[in-house]
This record gives sequence, structure tokens and C-alpha cells, in this order.
Amino acid sequence: IAGITQAPTSQILAAGRRMTLRCTQDMRHNAMYWYRQDLGLGLRLIHYSNTAGTTGKGEVPDGYSVSRANTDDFPLTLASAVPSQTSVYFCASALAGGTDTQYFGPGTRLTVL
Amino acid sequence: GNSVTQMEGPVTLSEEAFLTINCTYTATGYPSLFWYVQYPGEGLQLLLKATKADDKGSNKGFEATYRKETTSFHLEKGSVQVSDSAVYFCALSDHLNYGGSQGNLIFGKGTKLSVKP
Repeated sequence: IAGITQAPTSQILAAGRRMTLRCTQDMRHNAMYWYRQDLGLGLRLIHYSNTAGTTGKGEVPDGYSVSRANTDDFPLTLASAVPSQTSVYFCASALAGGTDTQYFGPGTRLTVL
Repeated sequence: GNSVTQMEGPVTLSEEAFLTINCTYTATGYPSLFWYVQYPGEGLQLLLKATKADDKGSNKGFEATYRKETTSFHLEKGSVQVSDSAVYFCALSDHLNYGGSQGNLIFGKGTKLSVKP
């Protein structure tokens, strides 16, 4: 692995189902982020983690949860998916936040029907 | 709150044309400013950044200058190529917006650039 990976690449999900999007980085970055990208709205922060063991809410956290059990992994869970959560989801990481460059994964395209 | 406004797209140019994509921001304090690029079907990549007033970021022929007096960070390139076709996002690092987040990014809505041969 080099960089940051996400899985799955795409998913179609029935409303009401639970779904976990996976994100793994091998750069030993402390900070990790989840964004959603919607046409005409750019990217919006869902949740973040400054370091392993800590998480925080971003601009649009409702309906999503995250955990950060270790440095490398930062899964995003939709407990009960709704159609408004149809989006492209990007995970990102940075060495320590602040002015550090954020590195983005390739994204997960999620469709909730 | 902090925000980023960038010019609406799409922008269509011929190869070798001059490119300007405008970006202005509203922020308290002294944010860092970024341009990210998203090629079709891919995630975002950092194109350039500037961390303080009057800094100029540059990469791959693109450049942008952090102008505090006009709160702007316009992206320019003297001669675009077909391979520059992508969506460009202006962003600022927001140290204070989410109670402890270390530098999450506030993005503009993106500007799609198409370069024709």
C-alpha cells in the first residue's frame, strides 16, 4: 500500500441498511478526515480525527459515525442509510493538521435507493 | 464563519490560452490557502499552497499569490494544455471552526476546466 486507500470503490445500498466505508493510510499521519462531495456544493467535512483515539464532528455529521482505534484506519459508518446520503465520499489524511497538506483517497461512490 | 468563493464554471479554453480562476475568502485569523485539482474519476491532489500573506505557490506552471489586502488567491497559468482539464478547488485551512480540529479544509464549490485542442 502506498498512500491512502478506500473501499469499496462504489456501492449501491437500500435505504435503512447499515454501511461502513473503509479508509486506510500507511503514511503514519496523525490527522484523518472524511468529506462528502456533492455537485454544486464542493466538499464538506463530515468527521475528523486529530490523532488515534480521538474524533470530532465536522460541518455535516448527522447520520454518520467514525472511530479511530489506531493510526492507520478511520472507518465511516452510516447506521441507517437515507437517499440524501447518496454522494462521493473522500477520506484524507495529514501529518498533523494545521497547514499540512491533506492527502486524499480515490473516493467511494455511494448510492442509496 | 470562514468561507471560500470561487468563480462558477465550467470554463472552456483552447490549448495555450491563459487561465485565471478567481478565488476569494472570508476568514478570521491567518489561514493557509490551497488549490487542489481533481482529474476525472480520481481523488483530489494538492496543486499548490501558500501559508502567509504575499507568498506565491507554484507547481506545474500554475501559480497563485496570497493577497491579504484583497482576500484573494487567484489561480493562473500562462498556457494551458488539454491535460489540465479537471476540476479545481480553492480551499483554506480552518484552525478554529470545529472546536479542536487541526486544520480541516473549507472548500470552494469547484471550477471545471475543459481545454480543447
